[in-house]
Parts: sequence; structure tokens; C-alpha cells
Amino acid sequence: NAGVTQTPKFQVLKTGQSMTLQCAQDMNHEYMSWYRQDPGMGLRLIHYSVGAGITDQGEVPNGYNVSRSTTEDFPLRLLSAAPSQTSVYFCASRLLLGDTQYFGPGTRLTVL
Amino acid sequence: ELKVEQNPLFLSMQEGKNYTIYCNYSTTSDRLYWYRQDPGKSLESLFVLLSNGAVKQEGRLMASLDTKARLSTLHITAAVHDLSATYFCALRRGQIQGAQKLVFGQGTRLTINP
Repeated sequence: NAGVTQTPKFQVLKTGQSMTLQCAQDMNHEYMSWYRQDPGMGLRLIHYSVGAGITDQGEVPNGYNVSRSTTEDFPLRLLSAAPSQTSVYFCASRLLLGDTQYFGPGTRLTVL
Repeated sequence: ELKVEQNPLFLSMQEGKNYTIYCNYSTTSDRLYWYRQDPGKSLESLFVLLSNGAVKQEGRLMASLDTKARLSTLHITAAVHDLSATYFCALRRGQIQGAQKLVFGQGTRLTINP
């Protein structure tokens, strides 16, 4: 099992550019989520999904879009990047009724 | 709104000493989690605490939960350098089974000096 994988590991964008952060898991987990981590603020939930075709907003969804067409993949889209989106992004997954959440290695994004 | 507060936020200690990290939360929850994060790395699950009075131990780390006080503690016994990391507590919230979300504390950066 590869677990939860994320690409890219690092990315630098200019303000206004768009990009997609990729997340995949091979554990057949129904629940997938995206968090951002900023210094001194812990992790904050951006969007989550309880299964293919079902997504919902977390605490800080503005500026981000998600979709879930398969169980395995849960991409996060930035349509028009802003400096405030400079952060480390983590994808995570778990079984729908499970307790253990598995985190990906993270993507460090810088928006200039 | 569920708020989760950890203290201290920074902790520097000597090897061999004992210390405790505190996690206070504002509303009831049925799950409390502790995670560890090494610098530049992802989060690793340490403990899941389910009920009042729950205590779990792994090596030099022991976590406990007091739901009446809305408090969890992570106790470090005879600290060693390898335990240097940032520790997060997180609580599960939401009514819909399976769709609950995690709310994280700010994290406690622990540095253990030889």
C-alpha cells in the first residue's frame, strides 16, 4: 500500500494563477479531506468528501474547489491563487466509520 | 462553535524530565485524538480517546481524557531527544455518522535538550 500520496511536494505560483493539488489513496477509504496548515494555527479543514460524487465545505473553503469522481482521488483546485493561500496542504483519508485518519506527506505552496 | 486550545504552545525541556501538555475544548465531543508531527513531515496518529477517564499509553507517552472538565492531557515521562516534535490534539465534531470533522488545537512544539 502506498497509503495517501500527494503531488507536487512543492509549488510556487504567481497571484492569479490556477493549479490543482493531487491526492490519491489506495486503501479504499470513503472519507477524504483537505487541510491547510499555517504557523500557530494548527490544521484547518478546507473541504471533505464522504464518497464519490459527494463533497462538502469545511472551515475555510473560500478560494478552493474540489470534486470526487472516484474513491481513490480527491483533487483540490485553486482557481485564482492569492498570497493568503501560501500554506502547507495536507490530504487525509479514513474509513467512513473509522477512527484512524491517514495523512499524506503534504504540499508546500507559495503564492507570490 | 468548537474551540480547541493547547498549552503550552512551546516547551523546551531537559532529557529525563517529566512534563504535561494540556488540551482544553469548549463543547462536548465523542472522540479526542493526539497526533505527532516531525519538522517538515506529515502527521502521525498517536492516540484516540473515546470516553471519560480513558487512558492510553505508548512508551513514554500517556494520554488521558476528562470529558467533564473538557480536558485531555499528554504526559511525557523521562523525556528523550527522539520525542522532540509538534504535538496536536484534535476533536471530532458533527452529528452525521461518518461525516464528522476534526478540529485541531494550535499544536505544542516540544524541544527536548540532551
